[in-house]
Amino acid sequence: QLQLKESGPGLVRPSETLSLTCTVSGESLSSSTYYWGWVRQPPGKGLEWIGAIYYTGRTFYNPSLLSRVTISEDTSRNQFSLTLTSVTAADTAVYYCARGGDTMIVVIWGQGTLVSVSS
Amino acid sequence: DIQMTQSPSTLSASVGDRVTITCRASQGIRTRLAWHQQKPGKAPKLLIYLASSLESGVPSRFSGSGSGTEFTLTISSLQPDDFATYYCQQYSSFSTFGQGTKLEIK
Repeated sequence: QLQLKESGPGLVRPSETLSLTCTVSGESLSSSTYYWGWVRQPPGKGLEWIGAIYYTGRTFYNPSLLSRVTISEDTSRNQFSLTLTSVTAADTAVYYCARGGDTMIVVIWGQGTLVSVSS
Repeated sequence: DIQMTQSPSTLSASVGDRVTITCRASQGIRTRLAWHQQKPGKAPKLLIYLASSLESGVPSRFSGSGSGTEFTLTISSLQPDDFATYYCQQYSSFSTFGQGTKLEIK
């Protein structure tokens, strides 16, 4: 059964870089033909799609975050990652990793991890 | 960017009620629309994809319809487990979520 689990620091200082990793179990990234992506949710607010990486390696990002975000994959570790630079308090959120289909629908959600941006 | 607008933002209903949530897209998305359910402190869960296809394991009291720019999620007879927040998601051009509809007990 496919499971996704996010990991990374729970606290990041303003202006620094947020880095999260999603570990995939139950499915191989190297043999999948899906989108793998990230969604975030500020406390008490709605969901925001951050971006995704297709199995070809092509990446797609939310235009509002394009200048600060990078999604990459490490198929040898069966992981994919999110990097968000120059963070502010507005980036405080629960970050979910997710598996899509052959489109950017979210089919499977990770459990989520809270990242706070504070000095 | 495609904007998704849900209505209402909050819906009060009773067990056994039939309820409908609407999602409108700022431009046509064919049927590339999903509905997710989220309970407090939990990750969302996919309910419906391609506007009207029920995800495996989801009760048949949930149904979706629509195409183009207007979509609906209907719960035919509310159960206690259904009180949650519902989000639509378009995946026609990148992806965007609606702002959510909180379904609460009347």
